[in-house]
Amino acid sequence: DVKVTQSSRYLVKRTGEKVFLECVQDMDHENMFWYRQDPGLGLRLIYFSYDVKMKEKGDIPEGYSVSREKKERFSLILESASTNQTSMYLCASSRSTLTYEQYFGPGTRLTVT
Amino acid sequence: RKEVEQDPGPFNVPEGATVAFNCTYSNSASQSFFWYRQDCRKEPKLLMSVYSSGNEDGRFTAQLNRASQYISLLIRDSKLSDSATYLCVVWGGGGGNKLTFGTGTQLKVEL
Repeated sequence: DVKVTQSSRYLVKRTGEKVFLECVQDMDHENMFWYRQDPGLGLRLIYFSYDVKMKEKGDIPEGYSVSREKKERFSLILESASTNQTSMYLCASSRSTLTYEQYFGPGTRLTVT
Repeated sequence: RKEVEQDPGPFNVPEGATVAFNCTYSNSASQSFFWYRQDCRKEPKLLMSVYSSGNEDGRFTAQLNRASQYISLLIRDSKLSDSATYLCVVWGGGGGNKLTFGTGTQLKVEL
């Protein structure tokens, strides 16, 4: 069974803290993605990766960075969390560039106070 | 203008009703189209792909009109378990090799 896991379901951090969100997939997928989902704005792509150590900016990369040291793991980093980064963060993976179906993790609801 | 636009709803329908959702996309170079389903407080999951020739999966029918840049989803004989948010999703075109999601249409099926 396809599985994408995220390190936390709920997270509360203070403004200025460095935040790490971890995502692991067990399907040997090439591609991994980080989105944020906000009411009225839908899912917006932050960063994605087609391969280990490879990363590409999505639509809203500002304030975020990513790391992919191993194929199964894709980390999202908020260098200095701000209140406008309070959101639901969803990780996804897909088998290859030509595969459109993305499998999502359960999400991490991050609150920055 | 948003790349993918949907009526947010909610659509409140009785069990057994037929309901249709529409979606428009702005980039004529978009290549592939999908409907994803997202249950309350859950992650999105692929429901079905959308083809110009139409695509039917049980009670669900999806249709694409490239000339009008319009995608539809029809649900027949609605069930309580169909209650969810339906996301219109577009791949390719000016957005590159990535999925662009609409904000979703919420469906509530009632007894």
